[in-house]
Formats: sequence, C-alpha cells, structure tokens
Amino acid sequence: DGGITQSPKYLFRKEGQNVTLSCEQNLNHDAMYWYRQDPGQGLRLIYYSQIVNDFQKGDIAEGYSVSREKKESFPLTVTSAQKNPTAFYLCASNEGWNSPLHFGNGTRLTVT
Amino acid sequence: DQQVKQNSPSLSVQEGRISILNCDYTNSMFDYFLWYKKYPAEGPTFLISISSIKDKNEDGRFTVFLNKSAKHLSLHIVPSQPGDSAVYFCAASALTGNQFYFGTGTSLTVIP
Repeated sequence: DGGITQSPKYLFRKEGQNVTLSCEQNLNHDAMYWYRQDPGQGLRLIYYSQIVNDFQKGDIAEGYSVSREKKESFPLTVTSAQKNPTAFYLCASNEGWNSPLHFGNGTRLTVT
Repeated sequence: DQQVKQNSPSLSVQEGRISILNCDYTNSMFDYFLWYKKYPAEGPTFLISISSIKDKNEDGRFTVFLNKSAKHLSLHIVPSQPGDSAVYFCAASALTGNQFYFGTGTSLTVIP
C-alpha cells in the first residue's frame, strides 16, 4: 500500500535540544511538505520541496530546517531556535500542481 | 493574514439531514480548492476538490460548490451519518505556486 509514514507518533524533548522528525513516502510524488497544526488554528506551512535537493520556506520556517536528499524522504529538524515547538506536525506529498495533498498521520512533539 | 477562512468553528446536525460547511477566501488567484476530513491525532484525509473552471463537483454523498464572484465555497454532505463527525478543513492553492492554504476547520457532529 502506498502512503506516507511519519515517525515517531509521539516525541518528547527537553528545551534547547534539536529534534528531527521523519517523513517517508512511497507514492513516487515529487513534491513534499511539512505543516504544523496548533489548537484552534489551521495547518500552517513550514517548508516544501518540489524536487530533490531543492526546498522553499513556507509561512513559518523560522527555527526549522529540512533536507531533500532522496525523493522519498523529507526530514524536518526542529531547532532550539524555534520558540514554540510543541505542536502536531504533518508531512504531506502530491504529484504536482493541482493535485491533492496526501498526509501522513502526524507526529506530536512535546518540548518541556 | 488568513487567506482562507472557516467562520464556523462547529456544527451539529441530525443523522440523515444535510450538513453544509462553508469556506471563504480572499485571494482571487486561487484556482484549486479542496476539502479534507480529520480525526484527532491523525492526518487529514482528502475528500473532494474543485477547480475554478467548475462551479460544482459531486462524489457520492459529498458535493462542493464554488462561487467565484463571492469567493466562497461550501461542502454539502447528504445524508449525514454519525461517521461523518470530524473536523473539516478547506484548502486553496493558486496555479502560480504549489502552496496550499488551509482554513481553521469546522468541527462537525452528526447526532444519531
């Protein structure tokens, strides 16, 4: 079955530590995305990548970094510079313009 | 600045009746619109989409209507079922970019 796998489902970190969230897809999609969801808010775009070795900042990229070394993988690093890292993080992919996003099941990150 | 707005945070409907979820947008460049359904602690699931060349798209119990002049779209679910209870997000994108903008969601409760 094709899909997007995010791991782990729950992640706990101490303040000041960097943490990397994994996202793997076997849909053969070129484009991949990272969104963040906070209570009462919609999904906000952190970073997206339309092709391997290329990515663009979304609306809330500060304090985050990404890499896209392989088509199927788009890991997100939450750095210590991110002021409010506790959130639900969603990875998505799509075939290209005007095609729907397919989402993983998310990672709940808690930083204390 | 929220480019996609869902002004009703919640909606309750009796089983068997119609559910109407609304969404407004501000960017006239948006030309592709989608609806997603989301359960807690899971990723959103794609429901239905519509491009700006159409004003209606239907898929089973789900119909999306687009009013470009009013910058408004709606999702109709007929008949509503208890399993439809979830949070529904609308999203929009423009042909000139591959970013998707999401509303803040409407929590639908279908009462048996």
